[in-house]
Amino acid sequence: AQKITQTQPGMFVQEKEAVTLDCTYDTSDQSYGLFWYKQPSSGEMIFLIYQGSYDEQNATEGRYSLNFQKARKSANLVISASQLGDSAMYFCAMREAGVGNQFYFGTGTSLTVIP
Amino acid sequence: NAGVMQNPRHLVRRRGQEARLRCSPMKGHSHVYWYRQLPEEGLKFMVYLQKENIIDESGMPKERFSAEFPKEGPSILRIQQVVRGDSAAYFCASSPGPAEQFFGPGTRLTVL
Repeated sequence: AQKITQTQPGMFVQEKEAVTLDCTYDTSDQSYGLFWYKQPSSGEMIFLIYQGSYDEQNATEGRYSLNFQKARKSANLVISASQLGDSAMYFCAMREAGVGNQFYFGTGTSLTVIP
Repeated sequence: NAGVMQNPRHLVRRRGQEARLRCSPMKGHSHVYWYRQLPEEGLKFMVYLQKENIIDESGMPKERFSAEFPKEGPSILRIQQVVRGDSAAYFCASSPGPAEQFFGPGTRLTVL
């Protein structure tokens, strides 16, 4: 089974509008972390936001917020007031507690912000 | 504090040649991870190393691929006898421990 599922290959949003990028995850661990990364066309991976499995509040970082619904195993990224510079690939990732601490990545969502 | 450094940023090899990718972790980080990103896909874990030790190599292909993180110097991902299917972006990440990973800019390998 896929550890991380991103069902939206591509999304479009009007500048200044909000957009939600979906992410569901699969784990039997009680302790895990959820991450979102942005990958612009230049290729680097830029960390956006982190949510721990025991965090009761949804994480927020500036215009980014994470809508964490633990029972549904979803960790959607919400970008408010979209800007042209937000056009990029967005990857959801999970790290389970354990020796390896490797990240499992989804297949990504390509976001295009329309002026 | 410089971020994770990877070199080269772009590497072109002909089929059958060797590719060596280098990763210098952030200062003070002793954990290094290598990931591969094929075109149009997400990153896939390859190997996790600490200084002089391979902790988890469950994502490494069984043949032609090897990784090391010596006591001194950068971590090296080595691909012998490259094939066209090895063309991908290879990312290195480092962390000070079991926490957030900081990614390097990646090395884009093209096999002709």
